[in-house]
Amino acid sequence: DQQVKQNSPSLSVQEGRISILNCDYTNSMFDYFLWYKKYPAEGPTFLISISSIKDKNEDGRFTVFLNKSAKHLSLHIVPSQPGDSAVYFCAASARGTYKYIFGTGTRLKVLA
Amino acid sequence: EADIYQTPRYLVIGTGKKITLECSQTMGHDKMYWYQQDPGMELHLIHYSYGVNSTEKGDLSSESTVSRIRTEHFPLTLESARPSHTSQYLCASSHSHTEAFFGQGTRLTVV
Repeated sequence: DQQVKQNSPSLSVQEGRISILNCDYTNSMFDYFLWYKKYPAEGPTFLISISSIKDKNEDGRFTVFLNKSAKHLSLHIVPSQPGDSAVYFCAASARGTYKYIFGTGTRLKVLA
Repeated sequence: EADIYQTPRYLVIGTGKKITLECSQTMGHDKMYWYQQDPGMELHLIHYSYGVNSTEKGDLSSESTVSRIRTEHFPLTLESARPSHTSQYLCASSHSHTEAFFGQGTRLTVV
């Protein structure tokens, strides 16, 4: 049973436009959500996180939105740059467990 | 920048060999994790540790074992490698309920 789902395996966006990556979760105990960026043969790099007490967190070009009632979060990258091309993973954690559950990832391609 | 290191980065080894994948962190994090990832798939948690002498199996069953004798060190061992163990192994650490930092990973190929 997959608790964190990223239903879009890939996304292509023009340079300068907005990239929107989506993530859904099923476990209502999750209270901390993270986005990671990953290149092949490397470890994931932390991008941004959000606690369940918030509905938005912003860091430069990256903004994460959380909709608890829909159990949905999204990562917005604006403006998108060719260097943003990578696989993006959504992850979630429940307080008290300290385990991070990952989605299957979305491959983002930013076209120059 | 995260200070978590994995060695080796790449390993090709024959079936039946014993291997140990090393993971060390210098951040003093109490929690450490091992994930396994196959191409195009999610990261699966195979082991985690909440502190010294504490280890637990993750959500994905694995034939590997781990130990946590020192806070900074969390090695993973396969007693007898098989081709089905071919994968990328990712080590991570975290402090309480915050983000986890990952090492660069070990890509293991068993022939």
